[in-house]
Amino acid sequence: GQNIDQPTEMTATEGAIVQINCTYQTSGFNGLFWYQQHAGEAPTFLSYNVLDGLEEKGRFSSFLSRSKGYSYLLLKELQMKDSASYLCAVDSGGYQKVTFGTGTKLQVIP
Amino acid sequence: GAVVSQHPSRVICKSGTSVKIECRSLDFQATTMFWYRQFPKKSLMLMATSNEGSKATYEQGVEKDKFLINHASLTLSTLTVTSAHPEDSSFYICSASLAGDYEQYFGPGTRLTVT
Repeated sequence: GQNIDQPTEMTATEGAIVQINCTYQTSGFNGLFWYQQHAGEAPTFLSYNVLDGLEEKGRFSSFLSRSKGYSYLLLKELQMKDSASYLCAVDSGGYQKVTFGTGTKLQVIP
Repeated sequence: GAVVSQHPSRVICKSGTSVKIECRSLDFQATTMFWYRQFPKKSLMLMATSNEGSKATYEQGVEKDKFLINHASLTLSTLTVTSAHPEDSSFYICSASLAGDYEQYFGPGTRLTVT
């Protein structure tokens, strides 16, 4: 089976740094996605990690450890507009099928 | 590029009726399209995967006869919710991808309310 765990909710202060963790246990693994989803909207792509290590993209960075089944999304210089749900998703193979975690709702406060 | 549209964005229907949701890739040809549903404060649950010209592959627990999926062309997939019930009320999201491309491009979603 597929199991992807994320914290349900997090709160952080504007201008700060926040790390959202994701652990997974899946029958296969091609890569791991992070998506951002604002309430009532579709998810938007943030990152895709295939190899171990940290990938940086502006204020957002994503880390992957395949041996540990672990990833995190790091958001720097938080802005109010970063308040959203962040979805961790694993591409476990076969027709690009992706399994989503339950998502972490991040609230950025002034 | 890689824009996916859905129509309608919102729909209200009565119990027992059927409703069709369209998913279109506007500027690319999608070899595979995916249909998800999302309950409030929950994550996306994959309902089915469809490839152009072939039957959709449904996830366990998803009723094929209730959620009819047609992928008639490389730019259009439709999801028809038949004999809708209030418990079918949900946010339905489609995504599309290209062969060999890891990324899925999501549509804006359709909010279905069954009264």
